Amino acid sequence: GNSVTQMEGPVTLSEEAFLTINCTYTATGYPSLFWYVQYPGEGLQLLLKATKADDKGSNKGFEATYRKETTSFHLEKGSVQVSDSAVYFCALRTINQAGTALIFGKGTTLSVSS
Amino acid sequence: SQTIHQWPATLVQPVGSPLSLECTVEGTSNPNLYWYRQAAGRGLQLLFYSVGIGQISSEVPQNLSASRPQDRQFILSSKKLLLSDSGFYLCAWSVRYQETQYFGPGTRLLVL
Repeated sequence: GNSVTQMEGPVTLSEEAFLTINCTYTATGYPSLFWYVQYPGEGLQLLLKATKADDKGSNKGFEATYRKETTSFHLEKGSVQVSDSAVYFCALRTINQAGTALIFGKGTTLSVSS
Repeated sequence: SQTIHQWPATLVQPVGSPLSLECTVEGTSNPNLYWYRQAAGRGLQLLFYSVGIGQISSEVPQNLSASRPQDRQFILSSKKLLLSDSGFYLCAWSVRYQETQYFGPGTRLLVL
């Protein structure tokens, strides 16, 4: 079945450090892939997405490339800020009666200190 | 623009009590609607989704139920809460057959 696996947290970094959060997936076909972010006390927000192999999603300095050969969608940022502290979820889109449903990873908590 | 509302924001309920969480969407018509649960130390789990009024699909067996009495209203209910029902409940919507889902602010439920 479809599933998403992302690295266990928490990830603790200093401001301006480089960030990588690993995400791999198992799916039939070629699903769209997403990164959602959850800031403290808030709901989820779409951070970026990629719909086909080799696509690169980007937003707010974050990037992720859809790698079909390694079934991965790792999230990266060159220089993190304290305001990036949040929980990050990798997700893939699967098809059901509704036409779209998301399968999420367990989330990775990022804590950035100044 | 579209907005999604959930209430209450926080809820503390005793075991065995009933539950009703409400989600409404504004600024769109005929959305797909979803209920997710985020339990402590676990990821997000899809509980229910709906493609239209009165149409509910359940992803996992549990003591929760969902209803959609109006096009942009989605309600999560339980007749008797369990301790294991504690968690963060998120409502989401999407345009029919489009990929991106938009999430509400969530309801934090603590069952004691």
